[in-house]
Amino acid sequence: GENVEQHPSTLSVQEGDSAVIKCTYSDSASNYFPWYKQELGKRPQLIIDIRSNVGEKKDQRIAVTLNKTAKHFSLHITETQPEDSAVYFCAASENDKVIFGPGTSLSVIP
Amino acid sequence: DAGITQSPRHKVTETGTPVTLRCHQTENHRYMYWYRQDPGHGLRLIHYSYGVKDTDKGEVSDGYSVSRSKTEDFLLTLESATSSQTSVYFCAIGQGGLNQPQHFGDGTRLSIL
Repeated sequence: GENVEQHPSTLSVQEGDSAVIKCTYSDSASNYFPWYKQELGKRPQLIIDIRSNVGEKKDQRIAVTLNKTAKHFSLHITETQPEDSAVYFCAASENDKVIFGPGTSLSVIP
Repeated sequence: DAGITQSPRHKVTETGTPVTLRCHQTENHRYMYWYRQDPGHGLRLIHYSYGVKDTDKGEVSDGYSVSRSKTEDFLLTLESATSSQTSVYFCAIGQGGLNQPQHFGDGTRLSIL
């Protein structure tokens, strides 16, 4: 089955700097890759997703890149703000399901 | 936010007792999922449903059962709760098919003493 790895597990950046979270997946048949943000005590919320026919997608300060050959995908957050502090999860599709990575705890230091 | 309601939101119970968690949706989505979330493990799929009375196992299904008698309700049952099942449980819904996002409920914090 699908296996998703995520790095780093924790990340601290200064406000205004960029943050990058990287994920790898094992199943070459996966073709959908969502990213979720979870604030402390809250539900995971979808922030961006990418499909396998696209190499990059942007939404304001957030971008995701996908390299299907290498089975890598990454989340890029530019001009980080304190409200970006949260746990971020990547995921990869497997048939009717998605398999989640273990999460990255991002801290943005004012 | 997607119309998903989980109940109860918090529960404390004792080892060996049965526990049922409920997920209710108002979006008429075909797919419903139960996850557990534990530190260092992210979100792990317990069971999911792709229609009324149609369910399948996820990666951590042992000790759990589910039922879906109506489109809007998906129940997760711990027949005899163990301390290892202490966790935060999230329900999610989706329209189904490939490339469709899931949306999560607010979670149920379950403590088994």
